Amino acid sequence: SAVISQKPSRDICQRGTSLTIQCQVDSQVTMMFWYRQQPGQSLTLIATANQGSEATYESGFVIDKFPISRPNLTFSTLTVSNMSPEDSSIYLCSFAISGGSYNEQFFGPGTRLTVL
Amino acid sequence: GDSVTQMEGPVTLSEEAFLTINCTYTATGYPSLFWYVQYPGEGLQLLLKATKADDKGSNKGFEATYRKETTSFHLEKGSVQVSDSAVYFCALSNTGGFKTIFGAGTRLFVKA
Repeated sequence: SAVISQKPSRDICQRGTSLTIQCQVDSQVTMMFWYRQQPGQSLTLIATANQGSEATYESGFVIDKFPISRPNLTFSTLTVSNMSPEDSSIYLCSFAISGGSYNEQFFGPGTRLTVL
Repeated sequence: GDSVTQMEGPVTLSEEAFLTINCTYTATGYPSLFWYVQYPGEGLQLLLKATKADDKGSNKGFEATYRKETTSFHLEKGSVQVSDSAVYFCALSNTGGFKTIFGAGTRLFVKA
């Protein structure tokens, strides 16, 4: 199965700055996703990253705060803009593969972000 | 909308104890059901899945049966090990879409 990696693995940032997280898959995939996992919480889908078009955002998430790029079928970036301490979370990218009757997601190792 | 509810943790067990983590779901149609596991400091990994009613998913000694009549997908293991200590997420994905809905997660601690 494909391997998925993220950079950076962790970062500590100052309030008001921005951080761009990179996600790389070692084979071409159609659907990529970005999730947020706040401390002790479950995963919340931020957006679906579509190659060649704008990302599709979930309720409560906006492009100005979380701009996403998807320049090709193996790569995506998520930027966390104008950060505040409430943005401290693990950010995970994933891709989905259809197995016919089901869709399975594969996750990157995550980026642990701390905002001071 | 679709949702997943799983038992709150943490769950603390001694090695070789029996494990059950309850999971129930609400969904339209016929979703596929999953258990994912997150070991400390790592991303999520698929543990097992079931795609239709009465299917049993199994992996690494863990099992879960898709029960449509009770809308449940409880995770079980007969004898846990210290290395099973992790957070376990129940999840569903509806056919025709790639979105996955996750439960809140249950943290398991296994003591030697």
